[in-house]
Formats: sequence, structure tokens, C-alpha cells
Amino acid sequence: AQTVTQSQPEMSVQEAETVTLSCTYDTSESNYYLFWYKQPPSRQMILVIRQEAYKQQNATENRFSVNFQKAAKSFSLKISDSQLGDTAMYFCAFMRLTGTASKLTFGTGTRLQVTL
Amino acid sequence: NAGVTQTPKFQVLKTGQSMTLQCAQDMNHEYMSWYRQDPGMGLRLIHYSVGAGITDQGEVPNGYNVSRSTTEDFPLRLLSAAPSQTSVYFCASSPLRVGGGYTFGSGTRLTVV
Repeated sequence: AQTVTQSQPEMSVQEAETVTLSCTYDTSESNYYLFWYKQPPSRQMILVIRQEAYKQQNATENRFSVNFQKAAKSFSLKISDSQLGDTAMYFCAFMRLTGTASKLTFGTGTRLQVTL
Repeated sequence: NAGVTQTPKFQVLKTGQSMTLQCAQDMNHEYMSWYRQDPGMGLRLIHYSVGAGITDQGEVPNGYNVSRSTTEDFPLRLLSAAPSQTSVYFCASSPLRVGGGYTFGSGTRLTVV
């Protein structure tokens, strides 16, 4: 079974600064997907970024980028130029790479507060 | 295109009552699933389905039933509500092809008193 660990329950960052959220995972699989989801106070789950394990290049989406270290089983999220709208709960998630849709396994989340 | 629609958004039940949380999607996704979210525990899988007539248990299935009679609908039934089932419930759907992204509903906040 796969496990996902987010060791930072809460973090705070000032507007315009950069913050990194940590995520580690445990799996015996060699091919898989990793995700970061954002959950603002509205409760909606929003996909932030996705990484395919067989791709060595780190994924980037505008101000969001990841540092994917496959050997270390680490998948951190960097948010650059933080904005007040980035205030949310962030979840790291794992999915096996199979021929069909697979279950998402989530971490416990990191609550990020962006301050003025 | 409505995506994934969950109803109701809020519900209060008394211990022992039963109810059904509704989930419908209009994207023709084969894969549908139910998660519950509890503080400090992330989202945990309750049940999932890979197509009409096919369901399976997730990590925390006890106290819940599901059925999938159509591609569009995947209701979650609480048979006899308990305070331990107080939680936020999310329905999500995905195409069956590998790498298809999940689309989540807006969630149902359930309180059992």
C-alpha cells in the first residue's frame, strides 16, 4: 500500500515571498503520478500541478513548481510570488500508473496562510 | 457543463437515521469515487466504481453502501448514521484512461448528532 506524508501541518508566508511545502511518499511502484491539490475556504478541490514519475523534468504551472526527487521519494511544491488567494489547504496525492483510472491516496494536508 | 454535482451541501442527521448523498456527473466518466475528509486525516477513500454495475470498497467502507446503476450517478448511502460519520464528503470522477484527471464535487458537510 502507498502512503503519503506531509510533515508540515501549518505554514505561513508573506505576500510576494516564496514558500515550499514538503511531501514524501512510500511505494514499491516504479511508475506513478503525483499531484498537488489546493482546497481554499470554499472547500472546492482544485488541481494545482501533476507530475508523472517517468518524466525527469520537474512540472511547472505559472507560479507553482515542484521538486521531484524520485530516489528520495520526495515531491515538494514551491509557490513563488505568493498571493493572498493562495491561502488554502494543500494536499499531496499519489496515483499508481495503470491501464485504467486508479485510486488517489492523499496526505494529511498543509494549511498555508499568506499574510500582508 | 456542470461537472460533478453533489447534493445536499449541508445535512444534520440524528444518530440511527439513514440518508443518501447524491452525486451526478455529466462528463461520461467511467470512474467515480467517494472520499471523506476529516481534520488531520486528509481524504480517505470510502467506495469507488469503474463503471455501471461495478463497485468496490476503499479504505473506510464500514457503515456505507453504494450502487452504480448508470454511468452518471453514484449515490452514497448511510445505513444507520453514527457520530463518527460526521465529516465532509466528496464525490470525484475521472475518465478510465490512464492519467485522466479527477474532477471533484463541491462536498457535503454532514453532522450526526
